[in-house]
Amino acid sequence: KNEVEQSPQNLTAQEGEFITINCSYSVGISALHWLQQHPGGGIVSLFMLSSGKKKHGRLIATINIQEKHSSLHITASHPRDSAVYICAVLPSRGGGSNYKLTFGKGTLLTVNP
Amino acid sequence: NAGVTQTPKFQVLKTGQSMTLQCAQDMNHEYMSWYRQDPGMGLRLIHYSVGAGITDQGEVPNGYNVSRSTTEDFPLRLLSAAPSQTSVYFCASSHGRQGAMGFGQGTRLTVV
Repeated sequence: KNEVEQSPQNLTAQEGEFITINCSYSVGISALHWLQQHPGGGIVSLFMLSSGKKKHGRLIATINIQEKHSSLHITASHPRDSAVYICAVLPSRGGGSNYKLTFGKGTLLTVNP
Repeated sequence: NAGVTQTPKFQVLKTGQSMTLQCAQDMNHEYMSWYRQDPGMGLRLIHYSVGAGITDQGEVPNGYNVSRSTTEDFPLRLLSAAPSQTSVYFCASSHGRQGAMGFGQGTRLTVV
């Protein structure tokens, strides 16, 4: 069983809709990353969270450490938001020498005009 | 400031050949790592480094070697390529264990 589970696997929305992508994990973590990958393209870091909430433009990321859950929200979605969104966690065990990030399988978001 | 530079972008190898994927960053990042991305599997960690002279294995290290002689460079070596190593490879770096990650552009490797 993967330590990081994302839902949904696929998501289709109409332009302007509010989008939520979920990430659940099973281990104690030091940090959680949200990444974006456009089709055939490279990977871009959107957020790094260790607690609370972060906002950048139309994107909002939240994390609940006690519930081992994070969400990525996109407000007023646009076709250019179409991409794969990937959650990755950095386990807290092992301290500074442990940099073994574990990734979810990604959520494919398609926003139609 | 070029960020993370990864080369080549595409490569075709024959089974048994060796090659090195290059990764360099100019941001003085301590942490660097290599991942492979396969359909339906997500990104998986191959090797990582927390500083010059220090490397460790990730989830799928077999068939790959790394070294970190400088802060800037973290090459990934395939000693004897196998078809199972056909994948897209990404290099990444970060400043600090909980820093934001920067990724290279990716290498699409096909082993025939």
